[in-house]
Amino acid sequence: EAQVTQNPRYLITVTGKKLTVTCSQNMNHEYMSWYRQDPGLGLRQIYYSMNVEVTDKGDVPEGYKVSRKEKRNFPLILESPSPNQTSLYFCASSWTGDEQYFGPGTRLTVT
Amino acid sequence: LAKTTQPISMDSYEGQEVNITCSHNNIATNDYITWYQQFPSQGPRFIIQGYKTKVTNEVASLFIPADRKSSTLSLPRVSLSDTAVYYCLVGFVDNQGGKLIFGQGTELSVKP
Repeated sequence: EAQVTQNPRYLITVTGKKLTVTCSQNMNHEYMSWYRQDPGLGLRQIYYSMNVEVTDKGDVPEGYKVSRKEKRNFPLILESPSPNQTSLYFCASSWTGDEQYFGPGTRLTVT
Repeated sequence: LAKTTQPISMDSYEGQEVNITCSHNNIATNDYITWYQQFPSQGPRFIIQGYKTKVTNEVASLFIPADRKSSTLSLPRVSLSDTAVYYCLVGFVDNQGGKLIFGQGTELSVKP
């Protein structure tokens, strides 16, 4: 089954404790992206990757890192999480950035 | 930078046609317009995409005027299961990448 998976689905952590949210897709897509969704602000792009070893900033990249060492994986790294990064995070993939397939989401709470 | 604006909410009844408009005044020449549907606790799901004029698929139509400063998603004969949030997305993609900007989302409520 074609899908985008994210782990963990739920995470509660404390300020400053480094964390990684994994994202994997099995569709051989070249394009992958991370979004955060907040009430009243909608979906905002954090980072995206057009292909392996190619990443670029989206609208709200501050406080996040990504890497794309393999085509199927695109982890999101929070080196020092802060409460304002409490959000619902979505990973997505597609061939070119057009018709994107979204993962189920990761709900992150930073206390 | 492209910015998208859409109504916050809309109400409809089963069987009616629903039109949701998104404005994107600063859309770049090679931006596509894409629409997504999102149910609670799920990721957005692709509905339709277009560049100009009219596009139709099995679930919706997308109308884009010549100036491309807006687009209208048309859902024919909605049902209760179409109650969801609908997002327009303006994409700018070329061989150097780009940014994707979502609208704020339109919460559609379909009543019996």
